[in-house]
Amino acid sequence: GAGVSQTPSNKVTEKGKYVELRCDPISGHTALYWYRQSLGQGPEFLIYFQGTGAADDSGLPNDRFFAVRPEGSVSTLKIQRTERGDSAVYLCASSLTPRVGLSGYTFGSGTRLTVV
Amino acid sequence: DAKTTQPTSMDCAEGRAANLPCNHSTISGNEYVYWYRQIHSQGPQYIIHGLKNNETNEMASLIITEDRKSSTLILPHATLRDTAVYYCIVRVSSGNTPLVFGKGTRLSVIA
Repeated sequence: GAGVSQTPSNKVTEKGKYVELRCDPISGHTALYWYRQSLGQGPEFLIYFQGTGAADDSGLPNDRFFAVRPEGSVSTLKIQRTERGDSAVYLCASSLTPRVGLSGYTFGSGTRLTVV
Repeated sequence: DAKTTQPTSMDCAEGRAANLPCNHSTISGNEYVYWYRQIHSQGPQYIIHGLKNNETNEMASLIITEDRKSSTLILPHATLRDTAVYYCIVRVSSGNTPLVFGKGTRLSVIA
């Protein structure tokens, strides 16, 4: 597609439930990034993939968070036993290579997760 | 932690130039200065980046001081659609480290 696509755009879930958030990057982009953004804050890095492998997962807050990218394209961010503090906008970005280069990252519009 | 300091908010009259400052006094020789902006309910959008020379593109100009400890993003003729949060980020271009965002500057363009 022309841009980074994230689905769903909005997700409301009950505390304790499991959720999956999907990111479809720009075709051919090898690097994929997940960020989380709380109200009034800048995006906070979670995890970065180069191809199929997680090159840096240092931003994942705890072991309830996990992400995969099995074929080096679409990525899924998985959150187990959701808590109200997980409520945020989850942003995905992709770039042609990890080298940020000429056009930087391209971000999707995000998934707004609300845990009630 | 973000390596940059930006004012929390700024106002600009429509049609005038918006000058957004950024301090990055601990920048390393191989780190670039990147600017992104985030319009309400959208993901951040790349604007421009530079190493030491001033840069200009269709969106903005980037002025980097000679000592590289600060820079200014210039929107030459601000419009209402430029109202957004603007983030200044320093990063090594060739590295694998992700972009680290601070809180940015909330620019309000006023009619």
